[in-house]
Amino acid sequence: GAVVSQHPSRVICKSGTSVKIECRSLDFQATTMFWYRQFPKQSLMLMATSNEGSKATYEQGVEKDKFLINHASLTLSTLTVTSAHPEDSSFYICSASFPGLKGTEAFFGQGTRLTVV
Amino acid sequence: AQTVTQSQPEMSVQEAETVTLSCTYDTSESDYYLFWYKQPPSRQMILVIRQEAYKQQNATENRFSVNFQKAAKSFSLKISDSQLGDAAMYFCAYRSARNTGNQFYFGTGTSLTVIP
Repeated sequence: GAVVSQHPSRVICKSGTSVKIECRSLDFQATTMFWYRQFPKQSLMLMATSNEGSKATYEQGVEKDKFLINHASLTLSTLTVTSAHPEDSSFYICSASFPGLKGTEAFFGQGTRLTVV
Repeated sequence: AQTVTQSQPEMSVQEAETVTLSCTYDTSESDYYLFWYKQPPSRQMILVIRQEAYKQQNATENRFSVNFQKAAKSFSLKISDSQLGDAAMYFCAYRSARNTGNQFYFGTGTSLTVIP
C-alpha cells in the first residue's frame, strides 16, 4: 500500500518554543492531507485539511495561528505548533489520500508524540 | 455533519473465538464509504476493511467481515478466529463519496482485548 511518512515520531520541546512536524507521501502525490490530534484513549480529532498550493481549512475551535499548516508540494505537508504550551502535548497524526479516486482509504503517518515541558 | 457512533468502549474476546464490534452512523447522503481502522499500541492506523455504500454485498477480508445494513445505518465488524495480534483500538469511519477531498469522520473507538 501507499506510504505516508511522518517525522519526528517523538519530540520534546520547551514551553514557548515552536516545533515542526513533517508529513510526506512517499510513493504518490497527495493533493489533500489531513492533520489530526489524538488524546489518550480517544478518537482522532480533525484539526485541518491541507490542500496543496492553498491555505489550509481549519476545523472550528482550532487556532490557525497556533497550528500553522503548509502544503507547499504534492508530497509534503507540515504542521508547526507555535509557542507551544504543555496543553499542546498530544499525539498528532497526518493522513493523505490519492487524488482523483472517490472513497479511497486514507493512508496514515506513524504519528508524532509531542511533549511540551 | 455526519456522525459515527461506537457504543462499545471496550470489548474482550477469547483467542480463537469470534467478536463483533458495533458501529452506527448518521448521514443524509446516499453515496459514501465506510471503513474500519485498527490502531495497535504502536499508534499506526491500519485499514482493516472498506465497504462501498452502493454495494449490497458485505465486504470480507480473510478473518474480518462486516454486516452492512444501509437502511439501519449500521456497519458492524466481525472478527473470526481472534488472534492475540488483533488486540487494538478499532475505529469505524465514514467518508462521503461526493469528492476526493472529503474528510473522514471517526467514531470514538472500541478497545479490543484478546484473552489467551
